[in-house]
Formats: sequence, structure tokens, C-alpha cells
Amino acid sequence: QVQLQESGPRLVKPSETLSLTCNVSGGSLDDRSFFWAYIRQPPGKRLEWIATIYYTGATHFNPSLKSRVAISIDTSNNRFSLNLTSATAADTAVYYCARHQNLVNFDYWGQGSLVTVSS
Amino acid sequence: SSELTQDPAVSVALGQTVRITCQGDSLRGYYASWYQQKPGQAPLLVMSGKNKRPSGIPDRFSGSSSRDSASLTITGAQAEDEADYYCNSRDSIGGHLIWLFGGGTKVTVL
Repeated sequence: QVQLQESGPRLVKPSETLSLTCNVSGGSLDDRSFFWAYIRQPPGKRLEWIATIYYTGATHFNPSLKSRVAISIDTSNNRFSLNLTSATAADTAVYYCARHQNLVNFDYWGQGSLVTVSS
Repeated sequence: SSELTQDPAVSVALGQTVRITCQGDSLRGYYASWYQQKPGQAPLLVMSGKNKRPSGIPDRFSGSSSRDSASLTITGAQAEDEADYYCNSRDSIGGHLIWLFGGGTKVTVL
């Protein structure tokens, strides 16, 4: 059973960088069948896809966030990470990491991590 | 435009059938996936592709699609089906792939 777990600071100051890491167990990040993604959900709002990465380092980004987002993958330690620069209150959300199956659906999700951007 | 639209809320009597719809131009070229989200929990994939249920999802959940819309039907709704349901699909903008989510439909089981 694949399990994903987000970790990182829960409170970020405005203008600083929001950083999260997703540790994956029960499956390998270099499995060629799967991609890996970050998705967020502001309080009371819809889910928003942020970025997707493949074990090769190939990436896809949400155009609305692309200028501020970096995603990386560490297959040796079976984890992948997200950096979102110049954070504002609008970036306050529950951030999820997920397995992106065949670039179609998100079939396994982490439990989510609420990150608040506030001074 | 790249957007998926869902009705905000729907209610269904226990044991009855409810249909949740999702509309958007991306659905003309790509199938929708559906997620169930209960309060304080991560979304759970309940339907994907052309009516494919992941392992463990009851067969009272079914999916369909037509032109620019997709539907998730719960036949014989149970109390535990009360949740928010989100549709999701892929789209392409300027040759780049993106993934969209609908606004969610809150299903209340009466």
C-alpha cells in the first residue's frame, strides 16, 4: 500500500518561501508507471493542482503559479519536494502530495498539511 | 476556457439515486476523474476514465460522459456517501498539460 506524508513548516511569513517535502513509502519514486504531484486547497475552496514531476526530473506546472514554483525529486530517499517563493496570504491552504497515475488521475494522497502564511 | 463547473450542492434520500455533473470544454477530449472528500480528510479517488472504479470503491458508484460533460451516479446512496465530490480532468494550453478541478458538489444524504 502506497503511503505519502507531507512535512514542512506550518507557518510561513509573507514574502518568504513555502517549502514542503513528501516522503513516499510502499512504492518507489522511480517506478516508470507513475508521476508525483502537489495539489493545494485553500480553506473552503476548490482543489488546485500545482505541479507534477517524473523520476527523470521532467515537470509540468500550473501556469498561474509557474513563476514561483519549483519541484524536485530525490529517488535515492524516495521523496519529492515543493518550493513556493514570495508567499502571500493567498497561499494559505492545505497542501497535499499525491501519486499522479498515468498523468490522468491522482490515486494516492497524503493526509495534507495546513500551511498558513502570516506574520 | 479551462474550467470545470459543478453544482454546489445536492441532496438525496437514503437509498435513492443521485447524479452529480461536471461540465467543461476539456471533457470533450479527456475523461473526468471523481474524488470524494469528507471533512478533514484527503480526497479519495472513486471513479476514473470510462467508468473505472478503484479497488475498494462500492459498485453503487458509476460514471459516464457525454460531449462536454461527465457524471458520477450513486445508486442507493448510503449515509457514508455524504461528502464533497470533485471532478478533475486534464487539459492542454499552448501545448502544455494542466490538470483542473471542479468547484465541488456537496452531497447531503437525508
